[in-house]
Amino acid sequence: IQLTQSPPSLSASVGDTVSITCRASQGISSHLAWYQQKPGKAPKVLIYSASTLQTGVPSRFSGSGSGTDFTLTITSLQPEDFATYFCQQLNSYPLTFGGGTKVEIK
Amino acid sequence: HVQLHQWGAGLVRPSETLSLTCTISNGSFPDFHWSWLRQPPGKGLEYIGEVSPSGYINYNPSLKSRLTISVDTSRKQFSVNLTSVTGADTAVYYCAGGVHIIRGVRFDYWGQGSLVTVSS
Repeated sequence: IQLTQSPPSLSASVGDTVSITCRASQGISSHLAWYQQKPGKAPKVLIYSASTLQTGVPSRFSGSGSGTDFTLTITSLQPEDFATYFCQQLNSYPLTFGGGTKVEIK
Repeated sequence: HVQLHQWGAGLVRPSETLSLTCTISNGSFPDFHWSWLRQPPGKGLEYIGEVSPSGYINYNPSLKSRLTISVDTSRKQFSVNLTSVTGADTAVYYCAGGVHIIRGVRFDYWGQGSLVTVSS
């Protein structure tokens, strides 16, 4: 299953609301997770089952979607949110990831 | 909480074998799916394979012919060997501990990452 993320990168300011989309090549129900990765670090789970917030993740992160189209939304962007975000499908093997979206400071 | 520490050669010659090992702290083999992933420089993540709590080993079909994942439960370690490497195998390799969510694994715990460069 291929996952296509858009946009590949975006520029935003602190306080903005940003949305990242992930489209699956076939239906995956709600079996999708979102990760945040900072330079030189391992990824960190933000959301799973498309919309469930991982323990300890701030509520400004939210996820939505099912089937083939999914969205990660970050409300009121904070300085520590500038990073790269990946989606992952958990519907079938081999597990696959999107190409990533880099969120940069405007 | 679970901690993973990984190690192995950072430079491998073309056609040789890449080997990495990951040690588990504050966790046990039956607790999670122990996995390997990789990330070529500037690119996205690729699932390599995993060992389930029952001991079942799942490989990415794209790598399966060159891949071996093994476990040493007494040492709380798991390893990956990838044979006949080429430049396309240059990447940061991660070990990870995952939770099974209905149909697949969510990767909750990660090693520090190991940059492996394939070059003569």
